Parts: sequence; C-alpha cells; structure tokens
Amino acid sequence: KAGVTQTPRYLIKTRGQQVTLSCSPISGHRSVSWYQQTPGQGLQFLFEYFSETQRNKGNFPGRFSGRQFSNSRSEMNVSTLELGDSALYLCASSSGQGATGNTIYFGEGSWLTVV
Amino acid sequence: QKEVEQNSGPLSVPEGAIASLNCTYSDRGSQSFFWYRQYSGKSPELIMFIYSNGDKEDGRFTAQLNKASQYVSLLIRDSQPSDSATYLCAVNIREGNYGQNFVFGPGTRLSVLP
Repeated sequence: KAGVTQTPRYLIKTRGQQVTLSCSPISGHRSVSWYQQTPGQGLQFLFEYFSETQRNKGNFPGRFSGRQFSNSRSEMNVSTLELGDSALYLCASSSGQGATGNTIYFGEGSWLTVV
Repeated sequence: QKEVEQNSGPLSVPEGAIASLNCTYSDRGSQSFFWYRQYSGKSPELIMFIYSNGDKEDGRFTAQLNKASQYVSLLIRDSQPSDSATYLCAVNIREGNYGQNFVFGPGTRLSVLP
C-alpha cells in the first residue's frame, strides 16, 4: 500500500511570494494534517482536514491555509512568504475513524527555503 | 498552552544496552500517546502508540504509560547503532470524533555506540 506522497520535495522561494504544497494520503485515509518543523520550534501542528472540512487548526497566522479535495488529497498554501517560513512541511495521514483512527503517518515532507 | 517535555539529550548507550527515553505532558485529559523516530534529514516514522496505563511491547520496543503521573516512556532493548536517531514523543490533545491535534516534544537524540 502506497504511503503518504508529498510534492514538491524541495523548493526555494523569495520573500513575498506564495507557495502551494500538495499531499496525497494513504489510500482509504480521510484525514490529512499538516505540520511545520523547524530547528527552533520543533514540530508544530498547522491544521487537519477530514472529508473536505477543516476539523482542527493550530496557532499559525492566516497566511497559512489549506484545503482538501473529495479524493482526500490536500494542499496547503502559504502567502506572503517570510524568511521564518523556511522549514520542513510535513503532511500526515490517518483514517480519521475508529479506535486507532487518529494514528498519523507522515510523508517525506517538503523542504521550503525562503530567500 | 499544552506542553510535552523531553530531555533533548544526547543520550548515549553502548550497543546491546537498554535505552530509556522519557516524556511528560501537561494536559491531564490526553488519552493517546505516540512515539516517533526521526533520522537526520528524514520525516518521522511511527514506532508505537499507547492508550492505556501500563506497558505495551512491540519487538524490542516497550512503551510505558502512567496517566496519574502524566508520564510516558519508551524502552529500547538490545540497542543497535541503527537505532541512533531523534525520538519524538507526541500527545493527541483532541480525541474521538474531534480528530487530532498532536503536540510534539522537542525530541531526544539517541546515540548507540558500537
């Protein structure tokens, strides 16, 4: 069974630009969540989508947004990029249902560098 | 602010020894707890999860949970150099139909010496 797929894997953007990252969850999984990982702040929760609806949201500014499509694929967007947005962005997939439905499995991540 | 704390390490153990990794959390209502391993430059991979007080074993790994003390640990028996990585403790602060919002600790860097 294929794992979580994220694209692109590496990208470099300029301050002020915007970026869109894509994630395809494990087949059959309906929940997709996004995390930001930086050396200073560690792994931090951005938001979770389930059945095309945002179910939970972390403490990030409105520049960070996401959406989920009917096939459970998800995208996240960061507008007006700042240098501090340079990070590893991780997508995580879970079934979203049942006793172990909230166990999350990470993709390989998208490395974003803002210059 | 819900927090998860871990010793950042590095924790060094000789090959074949038991590595003990510890984690405390602040949200007394948390119900599910996870350990992830992350190699340098890679994404976290799930080792195991635990929901109930007590021990849960999976191969060389044992997770221990004590909700009264708000403490969860991971024991790695017969440590191997390939176990050298950062171990992340995570707590889901949302439960059931409310989905998930994982709070991660800063991670403990483990070094297994040949």
